[in-house]
Amino acid sequence: EAGVVQSPRYKIIEKKQPVAFWCNPISGHNTLYWYLQNLGQGPELLIRYENEEAVDDSQLPKDRFSAERLKGVDSTLKIQPAELGDSAVYLCASSQTRDQEETQYFGPGTRLLVL
Amino acid sequence: GENVEQHPSTLSVQEGDSAVIKCTYSDSASNYFPWYKQELGKRPQLIIDIRSNVGEKKDQRIAVTLNKTAKHFSLHITETQPEDSAVYFCAASRWGNQGGKLIFGQGTELSVKP
Repeated sequence: EAGVVQSPRYKIIEKKQPVAFWCNPISGHNTLYWYLQNLGQGPELLIRYENEEAVDDSQLPKDRFSAERLKGVDSTLKIQPAELGDSAVYLCASSQTRDQEETQYFGPGTRLLVL
Repeated sequence: GENVEQHPSTLSVQEGDSAVIKCTYSDSASNYFPWYKQELGKRPQLIIDIRSNVGEKKDQRIAVTLNKTAKHFSLHITETQPEDSAVYFCAASRWGNQGGKLIFGQGTELSVKP
């Protein structure tokens, strides 16, 4: 079974440019998470989806960040415009909460560098 | 707000020795505590987890203990091997009403010297 897939793996952009990250969760997982991981720190939740509904986006900087999961499967996280401080690893995770399964499986992440 | 403190930030042991990493959480309603291992440039991978209805769980060389009263939990690795070298993260969540938002600790960089 394939794990969580993310693309691109690496992205270098100039500040003020837009950028988008894509995530494909494990098949059958209804819950999808986007986390931000700064260097030397633990992941921090940005947004959590239950199917296509964003049920926790309290940590998402909505002035420049947006996310969608239109069909309840794949998800896209966008930053527009990017700032220098957005340089970090963006991790996607998924879990099967429908069956009360708490385990979150992480993707390899997208490493973003804003110049 | 919700917070998880993790100590130490770095840990160096000799191969074969034991390693212990400790975490303290602030939300008394937390009921699920996973531990993730992250190698450089790789994804976090779950190595063990524990739910609030048990005090200890073991899986081969790895064990986790939970003290709900003191709100802390610990990871124990015995007979450490060089391949155990990585960053370890503890996390806590209030599973159920608020779903699975994980609050992570700051991480412990474990180095096992041959």
